[in-house]
Amino acid sequence: GAVVSQHPSWVICKSGTSVKIECRSLDFQATTMFWYRQFPKQSLMLMATSNEGSKATYEQGVEKDKFLINHASLTLSTLTVTSAHPEDSSFYICSARARDRKRGEQYFGPGTRLTVT
Amino acid sequence: DAKTTQPPSMDCAEGRAANLPCNHSTISGNEYVYWYRQIHSQGPQYIIHGLKNNETNEMASLIITEDRKSSTLILPHATLRDTAVYYCIVRVANTGNQFYFGTGTSLTVIP
Repeated sequence: GAVVSQHPSWVICKSGTSVKIECRSLDFQATTMFWYRQFPKQSLMLMATSNEGSKATYEQGVEKDKFLINHASLTLSTLTVTSAHPEDSSFYICSARARDRKRGEQYFGPGTRLTVT
Repeated sequence: DAKTTQPPSMDCAEGRAANLPCNHSTISGNEYVYWYRQIHSQGPQYIIHGLKNNETNEMASLIITEDRKSSTLILPHATLRDTAVYYCIVRVANTGNQFYFGTGTSLTVIP
């Protein structure tokens, strides 16, 4: 099956610093990648949709200047949390939609646990 | 995309079939039913999807009612590793549209 990786799997950073999370599709080309955030005991919340080579589309209430998304290639998307604060601590998950896979499937990464101290 | 309603939690004895219901009474004609599951602290895992016919794969079976207003995911022989949160999502396929996750059903498989 299709594999999506995320790096790092967990990260601890100090308040005010920026953190970059990578999402890679390892064995397929992803025309679209999605970024989700999940707080403890809650469901996944979609943050933004990114298409290769174009600007990301953010969900209502998500600050685009704080959560910078870059989708520079068909296999890589990055999410940068700028000026992180403790309330940004969460589980960040990406997913990728393959260009030539079964209709409508998305493949999810294993997630990145961010802790801001 | 149409919304779905799932029971918040269910228990199932190990080795028995787990039947997870989902209501999607406002589903549109071109929307598929997708099932994903999320084991604690991992990314969601695709299970199965269908439009109107029943579907089966190596993981599960999906039964969709004739009016398509509800469906049931069946894990035929539940194991402890099937303990997870199961999400039912309806969405138009092959459009690149986003998945919007509901609250899902937390399934606990009991030894």
